[in-house]
Amino acid sequence: EDQVTQSPEALRLQEGESSSLNCSYTVSGLRGLFWYRQDPGKGPEFLFTLYSAGEEKEKERLKATLTKKESFLHITAPKPEDSATYLCAVRHGSSNTGKLIFGQGTTLQVKP
Amino acid sequence: NAGVTQTPKFQVLKTGQSMTLQCAQDMNHNSMYWYRQDPGMGLRLIYYSASEGTTDKGEVPNGYNVSRLNKREFSLRLESAAPSQTSVYFCASSELGFLGTEAFFGQGTRLTVV
Repeated sequence: EDQVTQSPEALRLQEGESSSLNCSYTVSGLRGLFWYRQDPGKGPEFLFTLYSAGEEKEKERLKATLTKKESFLHITAPKPEDSATYLCAVRHGSSNTGKLIFGQGTTLQVKP
Repeated sequence: NAGVTQTPKFQVLKTGQSMTLQCAQDMNHNSMYWYRQDPGMGLRLIYYSASEGTTDKGEVPNGYNVSRLNKREFSLRLESAAPSQTSVYFCASSELGFLGTEAFFGQGTRLTVV
């Protein structure tokens, strides 16, 4: 069964304390892994797409990496404005329609 | 450039009432989707439309119907609302392609069924 699991469910960091969020997936033929940020009361906002193992993408304090079984979202020296829920989603080989399978998300709180 | 626009933003329904959630995108995308988001459940796909003129069921289609009115618009209808349909509903759109492209989401409709 295609599945996406994110850990931890919640993460509290002090400002400047770097950490990583994990997204493990089991799908048949990965056609893309996507990271989104979601603020309370808002829709998910696209961050990154990764297609193949070894690929990395960076944006400000965020860096996403991909292996054959999981992806990590590394947050370096986070600031309070990085507080949000981070969602991971995958598109798999049997889906020719663009459908995404989402994990349950990691809620990040960064304290000043 | 508005992206994906959903209406209404908030709605309260009584059990058994019907309503239609509207979604429009201005990015000329072929594919559109309806998701619901519940605490602890993540985003789950209700229905999708791979291209204009086609619709198909997602993971949780029971109690819903959809219409792909044209390339821009994709509506979600609740024929007889139930408390279990209390949720936040998101519409999204994306391009097609062998390699998946990112989906863009609207701001959501917060629906309460009492």
